[in-house]
Amino acid sequence: KAGVTQTPRYLIKTRGQQVTLSCSPISGHRSVSWYQQTPGQGLQFLFEYFSETQRNKGNFPGRFSGRQFSNSRSEMNVSTLELGDSALYLCASSTEPNTEAFFGQGTRLTVV
Amino acid sequence: AQSVTQPDIHITVSEGASLELRCNYSYGATPYLFWYVQSPGQGLQLLLKYFSGDTLVQGIKGFEAEFKRSQSSFNLRKPSVHWSDAAEYFCAVGASLTGGGNKLTFGTGTQLKVEL
Repeated sequence: KAGVTQTPRYLIKTRGQQVTLSCSPISGHRSVSWYQQTPGQGLQFLFEYFSETQRNKGNFPGRFSGRQFSNSRSEMNVSTLELGDSALYLCASSTEPNTEAFFGQGTRLTVV
Repeated sequence: AQSVTQPDIHITVSEGASLELRCNYSYGATPYLFWYVQSPGQGLQLLLKYFSGDTLVQGIKGFEAEFKRSQSSFNLRKPSVHWSDAAEYFCAVGASLTGGGNKLTFGTGTQLKVEL
């Protein structure tokens, strides 16, 4: 069974640009969550999607958004990039709430 | 709000020695608890989980963890560490959210170094 797949693995963007990251969950998993990992703030919850609906959002500005498609694949978008958005963005999928989450390899975003 | 504390930022052990990584959590209800491991530049791999039942849970790679409600702890242990265990370890608590679903709150991680 294939794991969680995140694309691309690495991205370099310029301040002010926007970026879209993609996540394909494990087959059969309907919940997809996104996390941001930085050396200073650690792992922080961005948002969670289930059946194409955003159920929960973390404490991030509106520049961070996402969506989920009918096949459970998810994308997150960051607009007007700032240097502080440089991070490892991790996607996790699970079957139902309060079950174990499986993480992808992450997308390393560098904003210059 | 839930929180997780991993008091040890760095731990160094000799190969073959035993290991215990500490984790304390704060959560108002029965927690869902997890340990994840992360190698440099990689994602998080689930080592083990506690949802309910037996307080001693077994995971992959020879790891185990014990849930102690009275101490709000979920410490990770391994009887004999291998050089390949060098990585960063994260404890996490899963919490139900009012909108449905859940989220993980992570500790700050413990960096494990293994001396040969």
